[in-house]
Amino acid sequence: KQEVTQIPAALSVPEGENLVLNCSFTDSAIYNLQWFRQDPGKGLTSLLLIQSSQREQTSGRLNASLDKSSGRSTLYIAASQPGDSATYLCAVRRDTGNQFYFGTGTSLTVIP
Amino acid sequence: DGGITQSPKYLFRKEGQNVTLSCEQNLNHDAMYWYRQDPGQGLRLIYYSQIVNDFQKGDIAEGYSVSREKKESFPLTVTSAQKNPTAFYLCASSISGTGVLLWNSPLHFGNGTRLTVT
Repeated sequence: KQEVTQIPAALSVPEGENLVLNCSFTDSAIYNLQWFRQDPGKGLTSLLLIQSSQREQTSGRLNASLDKSSGRSTLYIAASQPGDSATYLCAVRRDTGNQFYFGTGTSLTVIP
Repeated sequence: DGGITQSPKYLFRKEGQNVTLSCEQNLNHDAMYWYRQDPGQGLRLIYYSQIVNDFQKGDIAEGYSVSREKKESFPLTVTSAQKNPTAFYLCASSISGTGVLLWNSPLHFGNGTRLTVT
């Protein structure tokens, strides 16, 4: 069964710092990997989706990479801002159906 | 705008009562999902449906029931048999199918319903 791990569970950084969040998965048979942001008491907002054939995707200050063979993805946030404070989750979509597997998330706090 | 609407945002029930959470989407997606989120745990799949009138149990289906009579709607009933129902419930939807169609198909979420049972 696919297992998705996110390390660290929590991260606190000063404003302006660049940072990297990590996501690892055990089964490389995936269609895509998606990064989400979740604010307290809210649903998940999709940030980036990387297809299994792609290496990276960029949106503004966010850059996500995917190394399917090693089962790893990273989310790079440039010039962090207090508004980036949230929980970030990654999810993989298996390639044999319509199921998704989620990590437990990284709680990010950006200190002004 | 297309999206997923979950209602209500907060729900309070007495122990022993069944309660139904609403999920409606206008994204024309075939696949819909219910997840449960507890503090410190990842999202756990309760039920999912790939097409109207069909649904499958997820990892934690005991004490829950669903129906899928319309493409747009996938209500979740939390029954009195669910031993620990207090949680945050999230509904999601996606394109269904196989192959290339799914490579670039994201999962979309509603804003969730927080259920408290006392």
